[in-house]
Amino acid sequence: AQSVTQPDIHITVSEGASLELRCNYSYGATPYLFWYVQSPGQGLQLLLKYFSGDTLVQGIKGFEAEFKRSQSSFNLRKPSVHWSDAAEYFCAVGTFKAAGNKLTFGGGTRVLVKP
Amino acid sequence: DGGITQSPKYLFRKEGQNVTLSCEQNLNHDAMYWYRQDPGQGLRLIYYSQIVNDFQKGDIAEGYSVSREKKESFPLTVTSAQKNPTAFYLCASNKADRGNQPQHFGDGTRLSIL
Repeated sequence: AQSVTQPDIHITVSEGASLELRCNYSYGATPYLFWYVQSPGQGLQLLLKYFSGDTLVQGIKGFEAEFKRSQSSFNLRKPSVHWSDAAEYFCAVGTFKAAGNKLTFGGGTRVLVKP
Repeated sequence: DGGITQSPKYLFRKEGQNVTLSCEQNLNHDAMYWYRQDPGQGLRLIYYSQIVNDFQKGDIAEGYSVSREKKESFPLTVTSAQKNPTAFYLCASNKADRGNQPQHFGDGTRLSIL
């Protein structure tokens, strides 16, 4: 069965500094990978996705992620964090089976931004 | 604009009571999903449906029930058998295609026990 691990529960970063959120997955086939962001009390918004091709994918809000098959990782990065980036971030792996497609989520990383 | 509407935003349940959470989408998506979110545990799948009149159990279906009578609607009932229902519930939808279709989420319903 597939699984997703986000090793960091909380990360605190200063505004303007760079940010990297780690995601490791376990899946037997080529994964479909996603990063979502959630503001408090809200639903999830898709930041970016990886299906195939270029291993560096660009998303919204200045985020990017790099797929590394050898490390089973899909880390999210942003060069310069803004206060509005304070939120919880979820990595997910998608699978497709006859019964339907499903997402398996990591436990999330909460990002705090210091002024 | 197309989207997913969940209602109510806040819901309170008395002991022994069933409550129903509403989820409506106008994205013309075939597939719909219900997740439960608890602090520090990410999202866990309760039920999902790929087509009208059909649905599948997810990882934590016990104490919950669903129906899918219309493409646009996928209500979730939290029954009295669910002993720990306090959580944030999220509904999602996507095209029932390969696993590469991202899911779109509603803004959630927070359920609490009175």
